[in-house]
Amino acid sequence: GESVGLHLPTLSVQEGDNSIINCAYSNSASDYFIWYKQESGKGPQFIIDIRSNMDKRQGQRVTVLLNKTVKHLSLQIAATQPGDSAVYFCAENAGGTSYGKLTFGQGTILTVHP
Amino acid sequence: GAVVSQHPSWVICKSGTSVKIECRSLDFQATTMFWYRQFPKQSLMLMATSNEGSKATYEQGVEKDKFLINHASLTLSTLTVTSAHPEDSSFYICSATLRGRTDTQYFGPGTRLTVL
Repeated sequence: GESVGLHLPTLSVQEGDNSIINCAYSNSASDYFIWYKQESGKGPQFIIDIRSNMDKRQGQRVTVLLNKTVKHLSLQIAATQPGDSAVYFCAENAGGTSYGKLTFGQGTILTVHP
Repeated sequence: GAVVSQHPSWVICKSGTSVKIECRSLDFQATTMFWYRQFPKQSLMLMATSNEGSKATYEQGVEKDKFLINHASLTLSTLTVTSAHPEDSSFYICSATLRGRTDTQYFGPGTRLTVL
């Protein structure tokens, strides 16, 4: 099931490095996955999505990888910039009667040092 | 396009009072709106799903009599926290979906509620 903790995982990187943020999901019926970026005091901002019939999707500086076998999702950010510092959440959208509802992962705090 | 606004952006109220938060889709018609609650350093937790013209569907553990949701039009949903208590202090976020595109949610900027 979904886990929500009081201590979010953190990732600290230097500016210019590549960042990889991981997420494990629990519902094997989920068929659509989204990565969101949330800056302090703001709502989530869409980054990239992927459907379950794909295992990789690329955007501008971001790549999402999906491994359905182990129910794992990752977000890769190339040439990370200080403006990328935020909390990153993965979200899964289950099909069937739950279609449209999102379940969010616990989030990862990304800090980019100049 | 697909902008969602919330009002107010923050509110402070006394314990026992009720607070109404508005969620508006500014440039599209939202058939479905979702309400989330987010405590500090935690993830977003879905509270309820709101469809225009029908009663909201609440997630398990969310009191429908305490968190009143009204979705009176295709561009407006309201969340009223009744008889608010300090434990209701949280960041409330709404999202909206386009007609025919229920898989994509557009999020509002959130409302910070502090109950004294």
